[in-house]
Amino acid sequence: DVKVTQSSRYLVKRTGEKVFLECVQDMDHENMFWYRQDPGLGLRLIYFSYDVKMKEKGDIPEGYSVSREKKERFSLILESASTNQTSMYLCASRSRTSGPGELFFGEGSRLTVL
Amino acid sequence: GDSVTQMEGPVTLSEEAFLTINCTYTATGYPSLFWYVQYPGEGLQLLLKATKADDKGSNKGFEATYRKETTSFHLEKGSVQVSDSAVYFCALSEIYTDKLIFGTGTRLQVFP
Repeated sequence: DVKVTQSSRYLVKRTGEKVFLECVQDMDHENMFWYRQDPGLGLRLIYFSYDVKMKEKGDIPEGYSVSREKKERFSLILESASTNQTSMYLCASRSRTSGPGELFFGEGSRLTVL
Repeated sequence: GDSVTQMEGPVTLSEEAFLTINCTYTATGYPSLFWYVQYPGEGLQLLLKATKADDKGSNKGFEATYRKETTSFHLEKGSVQVSDSAVYFCALSEIYTDKLIFGTGTRLQVFP
């Protein structure tokens, strides 16, 4: 069964801490994405990557960075967590040859920043 | 820029009722359109899609027709089940960037 796995389902961090959210996919997909999901706002794209060591800013990259050292792994980093980054974070992947909407999502990581 | 507007929820129905969740969009050109579903505690899954005007996407008893004239892609199901309770997201892909733009989501609650 194909899978996108996010390492932590629930995290609680303090303001100013550095936070790592890990995402691994086993489908050999080239493209990977990080979204955040907030009530009333839907999903907003933070960063995406079309290949190893490549990264592109999405719509709301401020306060975030990413790392893609291996094809299967895409990490989201909050350098100094703030309370307004409390949210659900969703990782997704897609094959380069599939249609733009054919994303596979992980189960999400719910981050609370105190 | 491109955008997607969905009806606000929650939508509350009894089992076997007819479902409509409205979705309209604003976009440059003719984007592909999608419905995703998020069951409790899970990530989003692609439910159905339509890539050009008048296309009808269908899956698991759900249908949606790409209406260019009304810029709409409403989700319908003839007889909902309790297991359909979830959050439904309408989305489009921008034609020049392939970026997905999501609506805000509509929660469906089906009671026996």
